[in-house]
Amino acid sequence: EVQLVESGGDLVQPGGSLRLSCAASEFTFSNYWMTWVRQSPGKGLEWVATITADGSVKFFEESVKGRFTISRDNDKRSLCLQMSSLRAEDTAIYYCARDQGSWGGMDIWGRGTTVTVSS
Amino acid sequence: QTGVTQEPSLTVSPGGTVTLTCASSTGAVTSGHHPIWLQQKPGQAPRALIYSTSNKYSWTPARFSGSLLGGKAALTLSGVQPEDEAEYYCLLYYGDTRVFGGGTKLTVL
Repeated sequence: EVQLVESGGDLVQPGGSLRLSCAASEFTFSNYWMTWVRQSPGKGLEWVATITADGSVKFFEESVKGRFTISRDNDKRSLCLQMSSLRAEDTAIYYCARDQGSWGGMDIWGRGTTVTVSS
Repeated sequence: QTGVTQEPSLTVSPGGTVTLTCASSTGAVTSGHHPIWLQQKPGQAPRALIYSTSNKYSWTPARFSGSLLGGKAALTLSGVQPEDEAEYYCLLYYGDTRVFGGGTKLTVL
């Protein structure tokens, strides 16, 4: 079964750092762009970051630029989101999604991992 | 900053038809925005329904259809079922960035 599984969510203090991972299975991970999306408690979905298939180009939502980094290891079929200088407003469920753009949209989603930023 | 607007809430009767829309603050939504539609039920991850305006996935029920309507992206549900009660999100691609709409809470009553 084509699947994405996120991990790494935790309770972290404001100003702290956290690294999220997303493990892909049953598809050729290296062929696809990947995206992180988050959802704050009781709120809507928010695009966070996207990385191209070979990892050479990355795009970020304005509020996370300079604080978050997206990376991937195609050999390990893994996507990461490194978050630093965390703020209370970064508290959310973080989802990874396969992003095919015009060819297939965001067709596959993980179940998410929860990040709570609080003292 | 670019905004994408959806109806906050809609109500439909079982068996009825409802259209949800998705508007862009930059002007008319076109096929170049590659609109996608997602369904999310409480406590669950989003599930993709439609991509590139009107294309369905193998798992998308036939009663769901996507289109462009009056300068907006639209999702139409025909013959609504009780299990269609959910939050629906659109997403538009703006070149290298993506923007979600605020979501429409669909109530089947």
